Amino acid sequence: DADVTQTPRNRITKTGKRIMLECSQTKGHDRMYWYRQDPGLGLRLIYYSFDVKDINKGEISDGYSVSRQAQAKFSLSLESAIPNQTALYFCATSERAGVGYNEQFFGPGTRLTVL
Amino acid sequence: GENVEQHPSTLSVQEGDSAVIKCTYSDSASNYFPWYKQELGKRPQLIIDIRSNVGEKKDQRIAVTLNKTAKHFSLHITETQPEDSAVYFCAADFSGGYNKLIFGAGTRLAVHP
Repeated sequence: DADVTQTPRNRITKTGKRIMLECSQTKGHDRMYWYRQDPGLGLRLIYYSFDVKDINKGEISDGYSVSRQAQAKFSLSLESAIPNQTALYFCATSERAGVGYNEQFFGPGTRLTVL
Repeated sequence: GENVEQHPSTLSVQEGDSAVIKCTYSDSASNYFPWYKQELGKRPQLIIDIRSNVGEKKDQRIAVTLNKTAKHFSLHITETQPEDSAVYFCAADFSGGYNKLIFGAGTRLAVHP
């Protein structure tokens, strides 16, 4: 089945380390998103990409960067991790939407702990 | 700014009762309002959505209503079952149809047998 996958699923790192979270999809979707989930704060958009050449900041992009290596791959990097970046990170995809609107399909999530 | 407020943060009901979750949004230009369900340890999944040209949409035991004048929308679950226990997120598209969603903080629904 076409799916959205994330690696790693769990990661523990130390303050100041650089870390990359990867997202791959076999759905053939053009649009990809990175969210973080914190208890009581819901899902907050970090970055989104409508195609390989179109990358946009979301609500909370400070401290993060992204790379869209191909239509199917969208990576999130923390250049110098800090403890308040400890969270559950989700990647999501959706089809291209012109006038219409489309469902977002989420990956299984990456639980990141920064010590 | 772009904001979605969701209430209540927790909701506890008895099996068979109804549950209602409410959201308000800040931008009157928003046209798309989805609801996602996240079971414990799982990924969020879309359960129902509504567009601004309709006031209500139903799918079996769930329904969503939209009041564009008041800028609020609600999720209604009837005849609740234990498997309805989950966190529910509302969202609004603030990008004029380009699928950039802003989510509410979530409601944890517990359905007790």
